[in-house]
Amino acid sequence: NAGVMQNPRHLVRRRGQEARLRCSPMKGHSHVYWYRQLPEEGLKFMVYLQKENIIDESGMPKERFSAEFPKEGPSILRIQQVVRGDSAAYFCASSPGLATETQYFGPGTRLLVL
Amino acid sequence: QQQVKQSPQSLIVQKGGISIINCAYENTAFDYFPWYQQFPGKGPALLIAIRPDVSEKKEGRFTISFNKSAKQFSLHIMDSQPGDSATYFCAAPSRTSGSRLTFGEGTQLTVNP
Repeated sequence: NAGVMQNPRHLVRRRGQEARLRCSPMKGHSHVYWYRQLPEEGLKFMVYLQKENIIDESGMPKERFSAEFPKEGPSILRIQQVVRGDSAAYFCASSPGLATETQYFGPGTRLLVL
Repeated sequence: QQQVKQSPQSLIVQKGGISIINCAYENTAFDYFPWYQQFPGKGPALLIAIRPDVSEKKEGRFTISFNKSAKQFSLHIMDSQPGDSATYFCAAPSRTSGSRLTFGEGTQLTVNP
């Protein structure tokens, strides 16, 4: 019974490169959430997706960031032209339904921008 | 926009003592308040959650107390153990949407042996 899977676990990019973070939700879960955690800070909501739909992207920066959850395959958080301020841990969570249902978190991807 | 204020920022207790972490929220779309536990280098894991039909929920050494009129809820860890040393986050649903959780800033708990 695999939990939420994220890869890569660690990602190093130089400024200006692209970062792609992948998230496979728990089996049977069709709702995916992405959060960002800066060092010594709490979790900040970025985006909420269901299969093939972005439901709420109010926490995601308007530029350089995008997310998708295709019909087949994992959810992808994409950061274009990364800057040092993008260095953080990015967590994906999944749930079987709305936020009334428990959100289960993956182990995170730690992005370091040099 | 929902805000969740969590205190204290850090907490040190002796083994066997009681750890208490408090959270205050603004308006929510509905009453569902989870607590997450996070160890260094790991993702947050659900510890315990409370829904609106009760004012207190207990699971083992962990208890959530919920005061709806004051818009506050708290986590009590009884008989704290060194293995409980972690960062704890409270969360609350957003005011307008059940699709997002707003997290507190976290409490770093250290339980000394």
